[in-house]
Amino acid sequence: KQEVTQIPAALSVPEGENLVLNCSFTDSAIYNLQWFRQDPGKGLTSLLLIQSSQREQTSGRLNASLDKSSGRSTLYIAASQPGDSATYLCAVRPRGAQKLVFGQGTRLTINP
Amino acid sequence: DTAVSQTPKYLVTQMGNDKSIKCEQNLGHDTMYWYKQDSKKFLKIMFSYNNKELIINETVPNRFSPKSPDKAHLNLHINSLELGDSAVYFCASETWGEETQYFGPGTRLLVL
Repeated sequence: KQEVTQIPAALSVPEGENLVLNCSFTDSAIYNLQWFRQDPGKGLTSLLLIQSSQREQTSGRLNASLDKSSGRSTLYIAASQPGDSATYLCAVRPRGAQKLVFGQGTRLTINP
Repeated sequence: DTAVSQTPKYLVTQMGNDKSIKCEQNLGHDTMYWYKQDSKKFLKIMFSYNNKELIINETVPNRFSPKSPDKAHLNLHINSLELGDSAVYFCASETWGEETQYFGPGTRLLVL
């Protein structure tokens, strides 16, 4: 059974810092991995999607990496801004399954 | 021009009642999902429908009955509501074979 874990559960940093969020999964048989952002009281917004054959994806100040063999992904946020404050969720799509398995999220606070 | 919409946004009800949550997507997708996010923020798949047919039912109590009248709609009916049903329910959609799921804003259900 696929399980996804995110560390840390919460993170608070000053504005301008670069930071890394971690995600690990127990079964390397995945189709892809996605990072989502969830704002309080809102739905989820997809940030980056990495196929199982890829090592990383970039979008603006965000860079996500994937090491499938070790069951790890990281989300790197450069030059953090207060607007980046949100909960970040990692989700994997198990191979052969039409569903996403989510981690519990990292609640990120960027202090001005 | 909301992509995935849910109604109602908030739902407060008494134990034992029956309630429904509606989801509609205008993205032309053929696959829709219901997820439950509990108080610890874990998002878990409940149901998945492809072209109005049920393809995933993740050990959800049979008090929960999804209905897909057409590809653009997936409703969730809950009978005999229990305290443990209090959660945020998210609807999502995608095109089968493409990888990005689009989420609705969520329905916050509180059972008293």
